[in-house]
Amino acid sequence: IVLTQSPATLSLSPGGRATLSCRASQSVSYLLAWYQQKPGQAPRLLIYDASNRATGIPARFSGSGSGTDFTLTISSLEPEDSAVYYCQQRSNWLTFGGGTKVEIK
Amino acid sequence: EVQLVQSGAEVKKPGESLRISCKDSGDSSVIYWISWVRQMPGKGLEWMGRIDPSSSYINYNPSFEGHVTFSADTSIRTAYLQWSSLKASDTAMYYCARGNNTNWFWFDPWGQGTLVTVSS
Repeated sequence: IVLTQSPATLSLSPGGRATLSCRASQSVSYLLAWYQQKPGQAPRLLIYDASNRATGIPARFSGSGSGTDFTLTISSLEPEDSAVYYCQQRSNWLTFGGGTKVEIK
Repeated sequence: EVQLVQSGAEVKKPGESLRISCKDSGDSSVIYWISWVRQMPGKGLEWMGRIDPSSSYINYNPSFEGHVTFSADTSIRTAYLQWSSLKASDTAMYYCARGNNTNWFWFDPWGQGTLVTVSS
C-alpha cells in the first residue's frame, strides 16, 4: 500500500491551524498512525488507530479519517511544532508516507 | 520510563561486517517485539522488519531480506541488526522501535538511532 502525503511543505504562522493529508492507494480501514520528527531526533508517535492520541501528546493534535483518506490537524500552532510529519499504515504489511514538512514562521 | 538505547555511530568500509544493538532498558518483565526502521540521508522512513525476542520469530520486509539479519538476546533485553557485507548504499540512520501498549506496529518508544556510514 502506497501512502501519499500532501502538501510536501506547509508554511504557517504561530497560532494558526495546520491540516495535513495522507491518502492510501487502497483502504487501510482505521489502521493509520502519525509521527512527528524534528531535526536530529527520532520520530515520535502522535496518533494511532487514525484518531487516538498517544500518551503525552497535546490535545491540539488530532487525527481523523478512515479507509483511504486521513487528516492530521494541528490547531493553535506553536514554534516547537516545526517538524516533518509522517503517516504510517499497518493494514497490509507496513509502510510510511513520504512526509510533510511544517514550518512555523 | 521505557527507553530503547542504541549503540553508537559506526564508520565502515564496503564489504565489512557490522552489528548494531538496541537495548530495552524498561523494567517490565515483558519482552516486546522490536522493529528496525531505516532512514537514508534526507529521506523518509522505511520499515525493515521485526523480531520477537522471546521466540526469535522474524518478519523481514522483502526489500531488506537477504541483506540484513535480526537477532536478540533476551537475557540482556537486547536486539541486534547485522550486516555481513556492507554497501555504500547502507549509509543511513537506523532506528529500533517498540510497539506501544496497544499493538506491536504503532511505534512508541523509539531508540535514539545509530548512524551507519559506509565509505571507502
